[in-house]
Amino acid sequence: KNEVEQSPQNLTAQEGEFITINCSYSVGISALHWLQQHPGGGIVSLFMLSSGKKKHGRLIATINIQEKHSSLHITASHPRDSAVYICASSETGNQFYFGTGTSLTVIP
Amino acid sequence: GAVVSQHPSWVICKSGTSVKIECRSLDFQATTMFWYRQFPKQSLMLMATSNEGSKATYEQGVEKDKFLINHASLTLSTLTVTSAHPEDSSFYICSASTQPWDYQPQHFGDGTRLSIL
Repeated sequence: KNEVEQSPQNLTAQEGEFITINCSYSVGISALHWLQQHPGGGIVSLFMLSSGKKKHGRLIATINIQEKHSSLHITASHPRDSAVYICASSETGNQFYFGTGTSLTVIP
Repeated sequence: GAVVSQHPSWVICKSGTSVKIECRSLDFQATTMFWYRQFPKQSLMLMATSNEGSKATYEQGVEKDKFLINHASLTLSTLTVTSAHPEDSSFYICSASTQPWDYQPQHFGDGTRLSIL
């Protein structure tokens, strides 16, 4: 079983701050996914990455395969970024393993 | 692109009834669909994986006779909660992808809030 751990569990930031959410996993993976769950429950897939770094707008995701660690960064945070961010690992022949999520609140 | 439609978004029904939830991929062929359950303030819990034309693979602890999953076509999977009871009340969400699913992004439905009275 892949243990996926996220930190912090809860995060409050002022608008404009740079935010980092961390995710670590215990065994090798096919890919690491970052998901965003809005208060209404809907989930959006932000990134899927197997190596290196990906950027989409103000969001950046990085992964270090050797250290089994990934980070999600949000630059110039905005109240609309308030959501729960979940990392999940996918493995060939196995299932998804989800982190417990990071609840982010960005205050205007 | 890559839109997944889940229906209904909200269901309230009496104990003992069966409830069917549909998950449709609108603009791609979903060879693999996943069904999750989420309790308040908790993360997603994978219930089962379904591949088109095959029997679903259920996670440990998930009753296959209770939660019937059908994936009869490349665009539709259904989850039927049979003889639902209050403890089945939860948020159910599906995701879909193409193969190989472990190297593909997941596309999520908007979820179904199920309340059993």
